[in-house]
Amino acid sequence: GESVGLHLPTLSVQEGDNSIINCAYSNSASDYFIWYKQESGKGPQFIIDIRSNMDKRQGQRVTVLLNKTVKHLSLQIAATQPGDSAVYFCAESNDYKLSFGAGTTVTVRA
Amino acid sequence: DGGITQSPKYLFRKEGQNVTLSCEQNLNHDAMYWYRQDPGQGLRLIYYSQIVNDFQKGDIAEGYSVSREKKESFPLTVTSAQKNPTAFYLCASSWTGNNEQYFGPGTRLTVT
Repeated sequence: GESVGLHLPTLSVQEGDNSIINCAYSNSASDYFIWYKQESGKGPQFIIDIRSNMDKRQGQRVTVLLNKTVKHLSLQIAATQPGDSAVYFCAESNDYKLSFGAGTTVTVRA
Repeated sequence: DGGITQSPKYLFRKEGQNVTLSCEQNLNHDAMYWYRQDPGQGLRLIYYSQIVNDFQKGDIAEGYSVSREKKESFPLTVTSAQKNPTAFYLCASSWTGNNEQYFGPGTRLTVT
C-alpha cells in the first residue's frame, strides 16, 4: 500500500531556534493530514491538522505546510523549547483510517 | 475527567499464552482503533471499529482478535498465533467521520 515517510529520523535543535520537520507522502488521494507528538512511553498527542484543500495552517507556535505538487508536508515549530523534545509523526487519512510515517526524533539542546 | 485509558501499562506473558489488553473511553466516541508500535517505527493499524458489534481488520490483524460489545470498550486479544507479540500497543478513538484520533497511554507487552 501507500506509505507516509519522514525525510530524517533525527533532528537536533538549539533551544530558541525554529525547527522544521519534513514528511513525504505518496498517496495523492489522501485528503487530510495530521501531525502528532509522542513523548517517551506515552501515546501520541495531536498537534495540528490540515486538509488537502489548504496549503498552510497555523496554530500556537506551530505551522503546517502542505505542498501537494511534490507530496510534501512540513511542521514548523517556532522558538523550540526543551518540552518540544519528542518523536513527531505525520499521518495521512483515507476513509478516516490513518497511515503513519516512521517519525522524527527531535532533541532540543540547551 | 474524560479520556482513554489502557491497562495495564506493562504486561508480561509467557510464549503460547493469549493475553487481553484493555481499552476504555468516556469521550462518547463511536470509532475505536488498535495500533501496534515497534521501536523506531510508526504506528500500524491492527483492528478498528466504527460502531458497536462491528469491527474491521487493519493492516496487521493476523494473530489478533477484538470485540466491541459496548461503545466504551474495545479489548484486544493477542493470541499465541501472533509470531512477534512483544510491542507497544496503542488504542485510539474518534468521532465517526472525524479524522482526529485521540490516543490512550499505551500498554507495553513483553512476551518471553
